[in-house]
Amino acid sequence: EIVLTQSPATLSLSPGERATLSCRASQSVSNYLAWYQQKPGQAPRLLIYDASNRATGIPARFSGSGSGTDFTLTIGSLEPEDFAVYYCQQRSNWYTFGQGTKLEIK
Amino acid sequence: QLQLQASGPGLMKPSETLSLTCTVSGVSISSSSYYWGWIRQSPGKGLEWIGSVYYSGSTYYSPSLKSRVAVSVDTSKSQFSLKLSSVTAADTAVYYCASHSGLQYFDFWGQGTLVSVSS
Repeated sequence: EIVLTQSPATLSLSPGERATLSCRASQSVSNYLAWYQQKPGQAPRLLIYDASNRATGIPARFSGSGSGTDFTLTIGSLEPEDFAVYYCQQRSNWYTFGQGTKLEIK
Repeated sequence: QLQLQASGPGLMKPSETLSLTCTVSGVSISSSSYYWGWIRQSPGKGLEWIGSVYYSGSTYYSPSLKSRVAVSVDTSKSQFSLKLSSVTAADTAVYYCASHSGLQYFDFWGQGTLVSVSS
């Protein structure tokens, strides 16, 4: 099983700041990595797929990068609605998710 | 717009078989573009993929749950279903149904249904 480790567990920032979230895989997943956003009481929402492609309707302030074992989700300038939990997920070997990074308002 | 709605019992006893159904609307469940999957979320294990099915009946299961899981599809009802046998407290979770295009990422999700296992 491919284990995804996200860091940090919690990130405290203010609106307008830039957020950088990390995901590290226990073995190479090529670029087969996605990012999801989850708000309380809601299902996850696909943001980024294949490491760097934005899903339909996702604002340009969300960007993804990386390949192999190290990946980054960047939110260029935080909006109030961006404070949520973010998960990475790989599809290289079945499907596994990271444990999440909570992005909270500072 | 593709929509999914999961339904099933909220409370179960240990050793019972969990049965959930997901109703698909807004797109044909027989579309060649989509696979249909189940994911669960618990405080202890986070998000966990359980299994997926294609409209043809082809199934794909998580290796860790394979011995207890069955996923099926009923195209006449636009539904797909999950059965998880011999449940324990560790199976307590919010269960989501979702679509994934070409067995890739989970692009549309249902609202989730909480299943609690307790004696």
